[in-house]
Amino acid sequence: AQSVAQPEDQVNVAEGNPLTVKCTYSVSGNPYLFWYVQYPNRGLQFLLKYITGDNLVKGSYGFEAEFNKSQTSFHLKKPSALVSDSALYFCAVRDPSGKIIFGKGTRLHILP
Amino acid sequence: DARVTQTPRHKVTEMGQEVTMRCQPILGHNTVFWYRQTMMQGLELLAYFRNRAPLDDSGMPKDRFSAEMPDATLATLKIQPSEPRDSAVYFCASGFGGVNEKLFFGSGTQLSVL
Repeated sequence: AQSVAQPEDQVNVAEGNPLTVKCTYSVSGNPYLFWYVQYPNRGLQFLLKYITGDNLVKGSYGFEAEFNKSQTSFHLKKPSALVSDSALYFCAVRDPSGKIIFGKGTRLHILP
Repeated sequence: DARVTQTPRHKVTEMGQEVTMRCQPILGHNTVFWYRQTMMQGLELLAYFRNRAPLDDSGMPKDRFSAEMPDATLATLKIQPSEPRDSAVYFCASGFGGVNEKLFFGSGTQLSVL
């Protein structure tokens, strides 16, 4: 069965520092991976996806993610964090049937 | 901007009552997902439709939950009877399908069952 793990419930980063939010996955076949962000009292918003091709994927708001097949990871990164990046971040995987399964989410706090 | 519309935004009800949540997917989208968000479980997939046909509802408690798409512009999630443990935020999302699928989420229905 397909699954996604986000090992950190919360990540704290000082403004201006680089940030990483971790995600590992388990999937049969080719992995189709996604990151979404949720701001308070809102639905999730798409950030970026990995389907095939370059292992470094660029997305919205300056975020990028690095796909590592050998480590089955898809970590979300940003070179310089902003206070406005504080939100709940979800990693997701699409299984061959089309189901999209989300991790439990990681709360990102950017400290001024 | 096209958006997924969910109603109601908030619902407070008493245990045992029927609850119906509605979702209007973005016009032209052919997949609809229902998710439930809680602090403990995160975002759980309840049901998934493609071209109005239910493809997977294995995440749904079958004895009390039901999901339907009476037409392409309406998806419903019904709980009967409701229980306090159903209290959560319920999200609907729609997309075009395919491996590139990017989901568009509604603002959710916050359900409180007393």
